[in-house]
Amino acid sequence: QQQVKQSPQSLIVQKGGISIINCAYENTAFDYFPWYQQFPGKGPALLIAIRPDVSEKKEGRFTISFNKSAKQFSLHIMDSQPGDSATYFCAASKGGGSNYKLTFGKGTLLTVNP
Amino acid sequence: DVKVTQSSRYLVKRTGEKVFLECVQDMDHENMFWYRQDPGLGLRLIYFSYDVKMKEKGDIPEGYSVSREKKERFSLILESASTNQTSMYLCASTLGGVGQPQHFGDGTRLSIL
Repeated sequence: QQQVKQSPQSLIVQKGGISIINCAYENTAFDYFPWYQQFPGKGPALLIAIRPDVSEKKEGRFTISFNKSAKQFSLHIMDSQPGDSATYFCAASKGGGSNYKLTFGKGTLLTVNP
Repeated sequence: DVKVTQSSRYLVKRTGEKVFLECVQDMDHENMFWYRQDPGLGLRLIYFSYDVKMKEKGDIPEGYSVSREKKERFSLILESASTNQTSMYLCASTLGGVGQPQHFGDGTRLSIL
């Protein structure tokens, strides 16, 4: 049973465009939703995270939108740059805001063309 | 700076061998994790440890075991390697508190021939 469903599997965007990656979860006990970014040859690293008491969180060009009733959350990358090309994983946990015991989506390979 | 070090970047072993993957963190974290990463399947949790000598099974523990004798070191053991265990293996650690991220190593690409 896949608890966090991520789409699309791959995404190609032109430089300066908006990249959007979507995730849906099933377990209503999840209370923390981070996004991890992974560059080739490297391990994933925390990019941005949100808790369900807010509907949006923005850090620079990266924004998480959260819809609790629909059990969905998404990552928006504004003004996408070639350096943003990476694999992005959404995740969820029920650790009260902790990254302990994360359930990951299957990942989205983002390519930003120059 | 936070550092999680995996002992090998690439490893080639033969079917039936006992394989050890080592991970060391320098952050005094209680919690450590082993994942495998396969194309199209994302990150799947194999085992995790929340303290020395303490461990719990993750989502795909079959064919694997772990050892944590010291706080900073977490080992993944393939008791009798099989070709379907060819994969990228990632180790991570975290303090576990609110907002504390998992810190990942750069992975070990293991090939079983």
